[in-house]
Amino acid sequence: NAGVTQTPKFQVLKTGQSMTLQCAQDMNHEYMSWYRQDPGMGLRLIHYSVGAGITDQGEVPNGYNVSRSTTEDFPLRLLSAAPSQTSVYFCASRPRADTGELFFGEGSRLTVL
Amino acid sequence: RKEVEQDPGPFNVPEGATVAFNCTYSNSASQSFFWYRQDCRKEPKLLMSVYSSGNEDGRFTAQLNRASQYISLLIRDSKLSDSATYLCVVNGGGGSQGNLIFGKGTKLSVKP
Repeated sequence: NAGVTQTPKFQVLKTGQSMTLQCAQDMNHEYMSWYRQDPGMGLRLIHYSVGAGITDQGEVPNGYNVSRSTTEDFPLRLLSAAPSQTSVYFCASRPRADTGELFFGEGSRLTVL
Repeated sequence: RKEVEQDPGPFNVPEGATVAFNCTYSNSASQSFFWYRQDCRKEPKLLMSVYSSGNEDGRFTAQLNRASQYISLLIRDSKLSDSATYLCVVNGGGGSQGNLIFGKGTKLSVKP
């Protein structure tokens, strides 16, 4: 039972490079989200989706894009990486937007030099 | 006022101790409340949901006070394996009532 799968687990980028963090869930969850976690800041919501074709901004969306073409996948794109985007990124899903446990992927550690 | 506030700790307690964590939230419209546990360098995992009537799961008891917008977690008979960061989680932020807002966490260290 895979749950929420994130790739890559580790990535080092140079300033200005772009990349995509992949997230997939096999639980047929409608709701998916991306958080970043920084020391002393806790988990902050970047973007979320309440279903295929629907995305919206969270608390800290600048510098990130998302899309939700299928129920299973919710990739996070960094358009032009900056050192301030050095963080641990977590993808999470729950059955519906307002119901159920939020399941997390194992996280992706990103360093931007 | 921050949306979800917790004492960051750390709480350093001996095995067998009882420890309590508190959390306050600012959105009076919030309807869902949780405690998550996060081990070092791991993803958060649900510890327990918090219900209006209070609920218990083994050594863990959660309480909700809607009038004061306050949530608590009590851990009895602490074990070494309880060492982790405990995250208070409330729904209602970021443009959708479904979005879960996390506190910064309270770190617990249980010593032999």
